[in-house]
Amino acid sequence: DAGVIQSPRHEVTEMGQEVTLRCKPISGHNSLFWYRQTMMRGLELLIYFNNNVPIDDSGMPEDRFSAKMPNASFSTLKIQPSEPRDSAVYFCASSLDREAYGYTFGSGTRLTVV
Amino acid sequence: AQSVTQPDIHITVSEGASLELRCNYSYGATPYLFWYVQSPGQGLQLLLKYFSGDTLVQGIKGFEAEFKRSQSSFNLRKPSVHWSDAAEYFCAVGASGGYFGNEKLTFGTGTRLTIIP
Repeated sequence: DAGVIQSPRHEVTEMGQEVTLRCKPISGHNSLFWYRQTMMRGLELLIYFNNNVPIDDSGMPEDRFSAKMPNASFSTLKIQPSEPRDSAVYFCASSLDREAYGYTFGSGTRLTVV
Repeated sequence: AQSVTQPDIHITVSEGASLELRCNYSYGATPYLFWYVQSPGQGLQLLLKYFSGDTLVQGIKGFEAEFKRSQSSFNLRKPSVHWSDAAEYFCAVGASGGYFGNEKLTFGTGTRLTIIP
């Protein structure tokens, strides 16, 4: 099993540009979570999906952020337009319902907005 | 809403010494509790979890944690640390009885562990 795969690993972009982060969850997992990690705020849950349906997006900072899960094997987190304060490490995690919260995290995408 | 407090931002321990990392939670019912470890540049890896039953749970890499309801704590312990244990450790709490059985976790701010020779 390749685990949760995130791409790219690093992204540097200019303020105002659109950024798309990608996640491939573990095959068979039906819950997917997007987290953001910063020194100031720690780990914050942005949004999570169950069976491709967004369940809770209350953590999405503002309308510039959007997430989709068009199928069970792919999710995207988009920031448009990006701002320097969006610089952080973004993690994707997946799990299987009722499998005792077996979250598996990806290695993260380090986003730098200059 | 649930919350987690990790009072120690940074702990330094000598290799071979024992370790205890503190975690306090706030939740109205019996929580689901977790410890994760994050090595530099990596994602989080699950060390152990508590749902119910025996309050002392064993995890990977020789770690254990004890759930104490009266103290609202879930401290992580290891009898003898190795240099490879240097990392960031996160305690997390999840709501029990969620509809999907897999609700979101709330993480603490983490404790950075440094090991000295």
